[in-house]
Amino acid sequence: DAGVTQSPTHLIKTRGQQVTLRCSPKSGHDTVSWYQQALGQGPQFIFQYYEEEERQRGNFPDRFSGHQFPNYSSELNVNALLLGDSALYLCASSLVGQEAYGYTFGSGTRLTVV
Amino acid sequence: TQLLEQSPQFLSIQEGENLTVYCNSSSVFSSLQWYRQEPGEGPVLLVTVVTGGEVKKLKRLTFQFGDARKDSSLHITAAQPGDTGLYLCAGEPDSSYKLIFGSGTRLLVRP
Repeated sequence: DAGVTQSPTHLIKTRGQQVTLRCSPKSGHDTVSWYQQALGQGPQFIFQYYEEEERQRGNFPDRFSGHQFPNYSSELNVNALLLGDSALYLCASSLVGQEAYGYTFGSGTRLTVV
Repeated sequence: TQLLEQSPQFLSIQEGENLTVYCNSSSVFSSLQWYRQEPGEGPVLLVTVVTGGEVKKLKRLTFQFGDARKDSSLHITAAQPGDTGLYLCAGEPDSSYKLIFGSGTRLLVRP
């Protein structure tokens, strides 16, 4: 049973560029959440998608946007990249109504902005 | 702003020793989840506690949720080198879909 799949695994972008990260949730899961993890820190919630709608958003600027597709997969887009956007971006999936019982995380996309 | 304070940040112990990691907050959580993260990987769920006062055991690991659902602890008995890693606690606030993570405890168990 495949877990959460994220692509690409690593990415180097130049300041000011735009980036798209992709996530396929665990089979049977229907919600997708995105987190940003800076080096030496715990992950920070960006937003969660369910039924192709943004269900909740964390304290991130509008440069961060997302999308969920009918097959439950999701994309995270970041515009006008800043050096401070360099981080590990994690995707987590769960089954709606079961979030309190834990999430399945992917291995992440390591984004470096130069 | 809801915060989870996790302590200690770093722990280096000898194989066979016991240890406890703490997660504290002034906020109430509907659940408290513990994850372990290896370098270059995403967090892996260890356990979830949802009831105040709940205690769960996973082999040598014991997890406890505070009576008021504001704090939690992870106790490891007779630590082994394979326990080395980053331990993260994460709370799910009431009426919310986000997880609030602590900053993590980096554990090193020396043979």
